[in-house]
Amino acid sequence: ILNVEQSPQSLHVQEGDSTNFTCSFPSSNFYALHWYRWETAKSPEALFVMTLNGDEKKKGRISATLNTKEGYSYLYIKGSQPEDSATYLCASLRNTGGFKTIFGAGTRLFVKA
Amino acid sequence: DGGITQSPKYLFRKEGQNVTLSCEQNLNHDAMYWYRQDPGQGLRLIYYSQIVNDFQKGDIAEGYSVSREKKESFPLTVTSAQKNPTAFYLCASSDRGNYEQYFGPGTRLTVT
Repeated sequence: ILNVEQSPQSLHVQEGDSTNFTCSFPSSNFYALHWYRWETAKSPEALFVMTLNGDEKKKGRISATLNTKEGYSYLYIKGSQPEDSATYLCASLRNTGGFKTIFGAGTRLFVKA
Repeated sequence: DGGITQSPKYLFRKEGQNVTLSCEQNLNHDAMYWYRQDPGQGLRLIYYSQIVNDFQKGDIAEGYSVSREKKESFPLTVTSAQKNPTAFYLCASSDRGNYEQYFGPGTRLTVT
């Protein structure tokens, strides 16, 4: 595949629930995988930049894993809080003679207090 | 404060008119990008520029034009040739290396 696919499209959870979403990306010519958080009325902000197969990154309650051979990344949120409500975007950066970034459509997370 | 600014936040135009969206960054980034977002879709790349006086078409460049005369500025013109110009437009910049992108607040363009 040459597209970046994210699932689920949206997710509703209760405060305190742990959750995870998936990003599938082209494994060929892989350079990096980026996760962004996009809160309503704000600009997308980078969460993680991942480059190595088996990479695991963590920032507070949010963590991410990377499998470049099979072309997927998981984002985990432990103990979701209302302030985690946002759209989570992943973006695949490939080196095909030039660098090209492809964004997924995002997973929209709603955390209810 | 370092960052990216886009103006205006909302823009309304009549069909058949060209319109230019502003994007300025003071992060000293070499690369700048324009994306378009439509409901239910990911960000789609319109144009990007890796360096001053150079730019490349993205996936959906038809009906758009750009210039990169200064490192700080990357304006996007939506021409009357763009068939469905109503959308949310995001500008971004990045440094070389990991290419993590920094985004502006976006401009919502409505053409009637």
